[in-house]
Amino acid sequence: QVQLVESGGGVVQPGRSLRLSCTASGFTFSSYGMHWVRQAPGKGLEWVAVIWYDGSKQYYADSVKGRFTISRDNSKNTLYLQMNSLRAEDTAVYYCAREDSSSSHWGQGTLVTVSS
Amino acid sequence: SYELTQPSSVSVSPGQTARITCSGDVLAKKYARWFQQKPGQAPVMVIYKDSERPSGIPERFSGSSSGTTVTLTISGAQVEDEADYYCYSAADNNWVFGGGTKLTVL
Repeated sequence: QVQLVESGGGVVQPGRSLRLSCTASGFTFSSYGMHWVRQAPGKGLEWVAVIWYDGSKQYYADSVKGRFTISRDNSKNTLYLQMNSLRAEDTAVYYCAREDSSSSHWGQGTLVTVSS
Repeated sequence: SYELTQPSSVSVSPGQTARITCSGDVLAKKYARWFQQKPGQAPVMVIYKDSERPSGIPERFSGSSSGTTVTLTISGAQVEDEADYYCYSAADNNWVFGGGTKLTVL
């Protein structure tokens, strides 16, 4: 079955960087586009970024454009989110997700806390 | 960028029909999905392509669309349906969630 496991979250100071990973199993990772979605404490879902199945295209929410970079290594079945210049408002649970025409699979999320 | 607007809360008694709306210009040309999220859990898709139900989702969940509004209907809502519900759509390389609706069943 499809499994997505996020890692790399933690507490980081404002202005610093962090890289999240999402390890996929149970499907052909290189055939699917992948998303990052986040949820601030007590708030709603916010789409963050998407990457095409082959890594050829990436799109970002305005709130993270220029600071975050989504990437993937299909040989390792792993999705990444490089987060630079972190701000307090980036504090959230970060989910990776596989979306296709008729299904949606999410990991359990990893918590990122930006605080001094 | 696009916006999707949902009511912040809906409340029904068990066995009643719950309806949650989602409005936005993008919905006139793109399909919507609905996600259910219970506390401490990842979201689960309950409707895709406006009205299609994934396998494993109870038949009491249904979706419909009219113009710029989509509606999630839960017929005979159960206590276990109490959760946050989010609509979701995408167009022009923008993916957007609605603000979420807290469904209370009691």
